[in-house]
Amino acid sequence: GQQLNQSPQSMFIQEGEDVSMNCTSSSIFNTWLWYKQDPGEGPVLLIALYKAGELTSNGRLTAQFGITRKDSFLNISASIPSDVGIYFCAGRDFTGTASKLTFGTGTRLQVTL
Amino acid sequence: AAGVIQSPRHLIKEKRETATLKCYPIPRHDTVYWYQQGPGQDPQFLISFYEKMQSDKGSIPDRFSAQQFSDYHSELNMSSLELGDSALYFCASSLQGNSYEQYFGPGTRLTVT
Repeated sequence: GQQLNQSPQSMFIQEGEDVSMNCTSSSIFNTWLWYKQDPGEGPVLLIALYKAGELTSNGRLTAQFGITRKDSFLNISASIPSDVGIYFCAGRDFTGTASKLTFGTGTRLQVTL
Repeated sequence: AAGVIQSPRHLIKEKRETATLKCYPIPRHDTVYWYQQGPGQDPQFLISFYEKMQSDKGSIPDRFSAQQFSDYHSELNMSSLELGDSALYFCASSLQGNSYEQYFGPGTRLTVT
């Protein structure tokens, strides 16, 4: 089946630093989504990407849909303590009338003051 | 803005018991998805419904069943519970034909003892 590998698995950064994480797939996706999840809570949608090569920003977040449609990256600029959490990429493979998301393995971000 | 509502938030059951999880999608959303997330794992897709019809099926055990009702809310029924069913169960909703962005609820934490 489809697998999404995220890297890094975890990272410790200092407040104010920029963060970069990426996600690669063994197959093509039509849509890439990035979510943030706090412990015990549901994933919160951060950015959605629909076209190969698309670059989209949401505040301090920037994400890109890879040209090969098999990868995506997420950048966070000037990190702050509330950025702590687990970031998941998710690929959508449209089939039929609905679609499911395949999640990446997650990147755990910890921000130190 | 209204979000996805899930109930109950926490549930404790014994082995071989049954459990029913409920999900109320964002108003006007017509597609509902169920995911299971084990400790330290990424969410795994179980099943989805569009306009009250099952639209996609993932790794859902035969002991589980789900349906979507006329008001678009959905219920996940779990029977003969096993210890390994202990997990966070998320419902997500989206609006078919407009956006494939899935918005997640806060989850139900099921503990099987």
